[in-house]
Amino acid sequence: GDSVIQMQGQVTLSENDFLFINCTYSTTGYPTLFWYVQYSGEGPQLLLQVTTANNKGSSRGFEATYDKGTTSFHLQKTSVQEIDSAVYYCAMKTGGYKVVFGSGTRLLVSP
Amino acid sequence: EAAVTQSPRNKVTVTGGNVTLSCRQTNSHNYMYWYRQDTGHGLRLIHYSYGAGNLQIGDVPDGYKATRTTQEDFFLLLELASPSQTSLYFCASSDQGRNYAEQFFGPGTRLTVL
Repeated sequence: GDSVIQMQGQVTLSENDFLFINCTYSTTGYPTLFWYVQYSGEGPQLLLQVTTANNKGSSRGFEATYDKGTTSFHLQKTSVQEIDSAVYYCAMKTGGYKVVFGSGTRLLVSP
Repeated sequence: EAAVTQSPRNKVTVTGGNVTLSCRQTNSHNYMYWYRQDTGHGLRLIHYSYGAGNLQIGDVPDGYKATRTTQEDFFLLLELASPSQTSLYFCASSDQGRNYAEQFFGPGTRLTVL
């Protein structure tokens, strides 16, 4: 079945560091890929999405790239800030009604 | 005003207890979902629905029932709660009529089963 693997459980950075989070996916369908962010005490919210037609997406200084050859997609930000501390989920939708989520990466940014 | 609300926000019950978690959305979305969130597992889909009276089984349905009474309201029922169901539960809604539709999440309900 469809799956998304997110290996990095936690990432610890300092302000202005470069962020890179990686996910891999497996599907026989045509995926739309998402990044959701969850701040403390809140539900997840959409950060950005990447369609098969584009290969990239960007929002709030974050950029997502998508590589069909390696079935991987990445979230990156050039210079993280303390307010970016949150849990980041990669997710995949393949045309059905479900979204499959990765296990989440907790980002801790120290000032 | 929040478009997806959940109640209660916190609930403590005992093993074997009966629990109902409520979710209401004012997005006019047709799809609604129930997830549980656990460390190391992320978000796992319990049940979902594409309209009033409809119910679809998710990936971790054992021990859970759900009912969609109206387009706005979706309930998750634990009829014989067990400690393994201690978790943070999220409800979400989505307009599946749009391509690449995002999911809108509620604030969550923290359930503790003693």
